[in-house]
Formats: sequence, C-alpha cells, structure tokens
Amino acid sequence: AQSVTQLGSHVSVSEGALVLLRCNYSSSVPPYLFWYVQYPNQGLQLLLKYTTGATLVKGINGFEAEFKKSETSFHLTKPSAHMSDAAEYFCAVSERSGGYQKVTFGTGTKLQVIP
Amino acid sequence: ETGVTQTPRHLVMGMTNKKSLKCEQHLGHNAMYWYKQSAKKPLELMFVYSLEERVENNSVPSRFSPECPNSSHLFLHLHTLQPEDSALYLCASSQVGSNTGELFFGEGSRLTVL
Repeated sequence: AQSVTQLGSHVSVSEGALVLLRCNYSSSVPPYLFWYVQYPNQGLQLLLKYTTGATLVKGINGFEAEFKKSETSFHLTKPSAHMSDAAEYFCAVSERSGGYQKVTFGTGTKLQVIP
Repeated sequence: ETGVTQTPRHLVMGMTNKKSLKCEQHLGHNAMYWYKQSAKKPLELMFVYSLEERVENNSVPSRFSPECPNSSHLFLHLHTLQPEDSALYLCASSQVGSNTGELFFGEGSRLTVL
C-alpha cells in the first residue's frame, strides 16, 4: 500500500525567503509523484509531477521538486516566496490500479507568506 | 467550457432533502472520480468510474449514490445526509492508459448539511 507523509501542516515564510515543503512517500512500485496546490475555495491544480527520468522536476510558478529514491522523499522548493504563493499544498503518490490511477494524498501543508 | 466543471458550487440542505451534485469534464478523459475533502482530514476517495464502469467504492455510506451516464458526466446523488457529511466534494478526471497518473480537478461543491 502506498502512503504519503507531509511534515508540517502549517509553514510560514517571509516574502522573498526560501520555501521548503517536505514530503515522504512509501510505495511498493516505482512511484509517480505529484504536488498539487489549492487556493481558497478552489479545486486542486497540478504544480509539478515526477514519472521517470530526471529527478529534478520543474513546475509552474517557479516551484521545483527533487525525487530522492534513497530517502523516499519528494520535497517542494521555491527560491523566493511571493505573496501569491499562499495556499495549501498537497503531495501525492499514484500507481496504476486496474483501469484507473489510485492516488493517495498527504494531509496538506498550508503555506503562509508574511510581507 | 474547458476542464472540469462542477455544479452547484455551494449547496445547503437539510437532513431529509434529496439533492445532486453534477460534474462535467471537457478533456476527453475516460475515468472520473469523486473525492471528499473535510477539514483536517486527507482527501478521501469515494468513487471511481473507469470507462463508465464503477471500479471503486471506498466504503462510502449508501446515502451517497454515484451515477456516470457517459464518460463526460458524473453525478453524486445525496439523500438523508448527516451534518458530518458537510465538506467540499471534488470531482476529478484522468485518461485511462495515461502514463502520468495526473488528475484534473474541478473547483468543488461546498456542501453544508443542517
């Protein structure tokens, strides 16, 4: 069974500071890994994904994440936080299950950006 | 219309009411999902339809009844709900056979049960 652990339900950073949101996963097969972002009163939007190949993946809005198999981690980073980055971020792991993608989400991390 | 559209965006209902949530996807996908998002809980997968066949029913109470008349439409019929069913209900779609596993979400229907 696959699982996702996000360390820290709330993270606060100053505007312009580094953003680091942590995610560890477990999966019995090579994983597909995702970060989704959710703004207030909206659905989830894909930020970036890792399937195969390069372990450093770049996403939208300047975010990137690095797949580290030895550490079973997929941490999300952004060099410089903007006010518009304030949202909730979800890490997810996916594996094919029959005819659909079985996706397991973490509990989410709310990012607060302080002016 | 593009992407995944959910209606209504907000719904308030009493415990004895019957209502339905609707989801429509314009992406040509062939798998659709219902998720429940409650405060302080992980997203809970409720139902999955793949190629219009229900392939997952994640121990959801019978007061929730899904319907998938075709690959573009998904409904969640609600009856005799409880206050603890108040949550954001998210619809998503994906392409069966895709090697990315990416889900495309609608904006959700915020349900309040009085």
